[in-house]
Amino acid sequence: DIQLTQSPSFLSASVGDRVTITCRASQGISSYLAWYQQKPGKAPKLLIYAASTLQSGVPSRFSGSGSGTEFTLTISSLQPEDFATYYCQQLNSYIFTFGPGTKVDIK
Amino acid sequence: QVQLQESGPGLVKPSETLSLTCTVSGGSISSYYWSWIRQPPGKGLEWIGYIYYSGSTNYNPSLKSRVTISVDTSKNQFSLKLSSVTAADTAVYYCAGQLRLGELSLGYWGQGTLVTVSS
Repeated sequence: DIQLTQSPSFLSASVGDRVTITCRASQGISSYLAWYQQKPGKAPKLLIYAASTLQSGVPSRFSGSGSGTEFTLTISSLQPEDFATYYCQQLNSYIFTFGPGTKVDIK
Repeated sequence: QVQLQESGPGLVKPSETLSLTCTVSGGSISSYYWSWIRQPPGKGLEWIGYIYYSGSTNYNPSLKSRVTISVDTSKNQFSLKLSSVTAADTAVYYCAGQLRLGELSLGYWGQGTLVTVSS
C-alpha cells in the first residue's frame, strides 16, 4: 500500500506569512494527489486536486505543486481563516490513503 | 449542488455491527464513486472504502474483513456496515463523493456523524 507522510506535523505562523506543507508518497503516484482543509467540528474541504488544480471557489493564495513522490501545498499569505488542519490524499492506487495531517496554528 | 447526509445510530454496543446510510441529493448517485471516511476524536482522517454506482467496491485493507459498503440507486443512497466493533471504532463517520467524472478527489462531503461504541 502507498503511504503518505506530511511535514511539518505542526506549524505556527502569523497572518501574512508564506506557508509551505510537504506531502511525500512511498512510491510514485503521478499527479493523483488532493489537498483538503479541515476546521474543528467541520467536514474536510477540497482545496487542490490533481496535485495543482485549484478547486472552484478556493482563494488563489492556495497553490499546489509536485508529481511522483513529493508534493507541496503553499499558502502565499496566510489569512485568519486559514488556521486549520491540512491533509493530503493519494488517489493513484485504489486504496485512497490520507496523510497524517498538518495543523497550522496562530503564532 | 450535490449534498450528502449521513444517518444512523449514534451509539453501538461492542461486538455489534455499525450501520450508516448516506443520502445523496441534488444529483444522481449513478456514474460516480462514493466513499466512507472516518476520524477518531482528535485524530486524522482514515479512508474506509468506496463503492461505484454499479456496486463494485474497494476497501482499506486494515478494515476489509469487517466492512461492507452497498448502494441503492433507486433511493440515491449508499451504506456502510462495520461488524464486530470495538471502542477503537468510535469516530466521526463521513460520506463523500467524487468531484466529477474523471476526477476521483472528494469534492462533496456530508457533515459527519459521531458514532460511539460503548456498552
